[in-house]
Amino acid sequence: AQTVTQSQPEMSVQEAETVTLSCTYDTSENNYYLFWYKQPPSRQMILVIRQEAYKQQNATENRFSVNFQKAAKSFSLKISDSQLGDTAMYFCAFAGSARQLTFGSGTQLTVLP
Amino acid sequence: DTAVSQTPKYLVTQMGNDKSIKCEQNLGHDTMYWYKQDSKKFLKIMFSYNNKELIINETVPNRFSPKSPDKAHLNLHINSLELGDSAVYFCASSPLHSNQPQHFGDGTRLSIL
Repeated sequence: AQTVTQSQPEMSVQEAETVTLSCTYDTSENNYYLFWYKQPPSRQMILVIRQEAYKQQNATENRFSVNFQKAAKSFSLKISDSQLGDTAMYFCAFAGSARQLTFGSGTQLTVLP
Repeated sequence: DTAVSQTPKYLVTQMGNDKSIKCEQNLGHDTMYWYKQDSKKFLKIMFSYNNKELIINETVPNRFSPKSPDKAHLNLHINSLELGDSAVYFCASSPLHSNQPQHFGDGTRLSIL
């Protein structure tokens, strides 16, 4: 069974600064996908970024980028130029051959004005 | 033109009742899912279903049953509701053979009195 660990229950960052959220996972599979989802107070689940395990290049989406270290089973999310609208719960998630998502426990990020 | 829609958004009911939550997706996806988010925001898969296979998380009580009248719908029926069933339930969908991420509905907050 896969496990996903987010060791930072809460984090805060000043507006316009950069913050990194940590995620580690454990799996015996070789082909899988990793995701970061954002859940604002509206409770919607919004995809932030995804990474295919077979790709060595780290994914980027505008201000969001990941540091994917396959050997270390680490998948951190970096948010640059943080904005107030980035305040949300962030979930790291794993999808293997079974396709269903295994989520970490989440990191509540607060962007301070 | 919402991609994954759930109804109702809020459901308040008494212990012992039977209730259903409906989910519809207009993305043409093959696979649908139900997730439960508890009071600590932890998200866990309950079911995944396509037209050939139902995968049930072994921790889900048999009071919970998914019902799929067609490929675009996966409803969640819950019998004999208990206090511990209070949570937010999310429906999601994805293509079966693709690296595309899951699309989530907005969630249904179920409160048991």
